[in-house]
Amino acid sequence: GAGVSQSPSNKVTEKGKDVELRCDPISGHTALYWYRQSLGQGLEFLIYFQGNSAPDKSGLPSDRFSAERTGGSVSTLTIQRTQQEDSAVYLCASSRRNYEQYFGPGTRLTVT
Amino acid sequence: KNQVEQSPQSLIILEGKNCTLQCNYTVSPFSNLRWYKQDTGRGPVSLTIMTFSENTKSNGRYTATLDADTKQSSLHITASQLSDSASYICVVIRRSNDYKLSFGAGTTVTVRA
Repeated sequence: GAGVSQSPSNKVTEKGKDVELRCDPISGHTALYWYRQSLGQGLEFLIYFQGNSAPDKSGLPSDRFSAERTGGSVSTLTIQRTQQEDSAVYLCASSRRNYEQYFGPGTRLTVT
Repeated sequence: KNQVEQSPQSLIILEGKNCTLQCNYTVSPFSNLRWYKQDTGRGPVSLTIMTFSENTKSNGRYTATLDADTKQSSLHITASQLSDSASYICVVIRRSNDYKLSFGAGTTVTVRA
């Protein structure tokens, strides 16, 4: 049974460029979450998808951040016009509705 | 201010020794508390889940305690192994169906031979 997978594992980009981060949740999990983990900080909630409901985007730090979930499965987190403060590890998790979350390995984003 | 505070921020112990990590929280109401282990380059993995009525729960060499009155939890690692080197994250859930978790910043444990 595959767990949550994320790609790429590492991404280095220049300031001002757009990046897309991908998350493949565990099959059958209806809920999907994106978090940001900065050095020395706790995980920061970004966005939550549950089935066909409208996503909770309350954690997105600015309008440069957006996320989609297509077909109730794969999700893409997009950061436009990246800034150096966007450098962090972006973690995705999935779960059955509001049950225990299973985390992916994360994408380490470095903005130079 | 973070609602989940962990201490120490980091610690180094010799293989075979024990250590205890602390977690204090102000999250309210309280449903349950979880300890996660995060290896370098990996996502967090759940070690224990404790509800309001549970005081102690063990998972192998990991033992978690919870005092819901003082809002404190600890994670004790017994007879540490090199593979215990990781970040340990305390997570508090406000309600049983609440998807927004409150995360501590973690304690980084380094076990040396």
